[in-house]
Amino acid sequence: DIQMTQSPSSLPASVGDRVTITCRASQNIDNYVNWYQRKPGKAPTVLIYAASTLQSGVPSRFSGSGSGTDFTLTISSLQPEDFATYYCQHTYRTLGGTFGQGTKLEIK
Amino acid sequence: QLLLQESGPGLLKPSEPLSLTCSVSGDTLTTTSFYWGWIRQPPGKGLEWIATISSSGGAYYNPSLQSRFTISLDTSKNQFSLQKNSVTPSDTALYFCARLVHNSAYYFWFDPWGQGTLVTVSA
Repeated sequence: DIQMTQSPSSLPASVGDRVTITCRASQNIDNYVNWYQRKPGKAPTVLIYAASTLQSGVPSRFSGSGSGTDFTLTISSLQPEDFATYYCQHTYRTLGGTFGQGTKLEIK
Repeated sequence: QLLLQESGPGLLKPSEPLSLTCSVSGDTLTTTSFYWGWIRQPPGKGLEWIATISSSGGAYYNPSLQSRFTISLDTSKNQFSLQKNSVTPSDTALYFCARLVHNSAYYFWFDPWGQGTLVTVSA
């Protein structure tokens, strides 16, 4: 199985900060990576698919990059509504894949 | 607007069977470009993909779970289901259903997700 190692697990930050979350795959997965946001009590929503494609309706302050084994999700200027937990997921040669353990973005 | 709603037993005892249903509105399960899946999240842990089913009924499972689950479609009710013969406390989790979509280059992602249904396994 392909493992997705996500870091950090917790990230204190302030409104206006630029933050980066990383995900490392245990083998080359090309760019088959998605990023999701989950707020307490809500369903996860997709932010980025294919490593860098912004889902329709998602603010442009979110961006994704990477290929091969190393991937990043960047929020250019944190907004109050962005404090949530973020997950990466690979879908390389699978109709499901593996998720990272999550990064909880917390108010500093 | 596509909506998914999970339903389940809530509380189970170890060794009891698990049956979860996802009711879909706003689209039909037989739309050929979509797949449908189940994902769970144990308390305090990350997300784990369980299974996916195609509009024609082809099933795909997380190999790490050794196919202990069964996913199925009920097109007459526009629902899909997840079953397990016997649960253990490690099956305690919030279970989500979701649509798996893809683009023309066959990159897949789950969108949208249901709100989730909590299953607790305890004696």
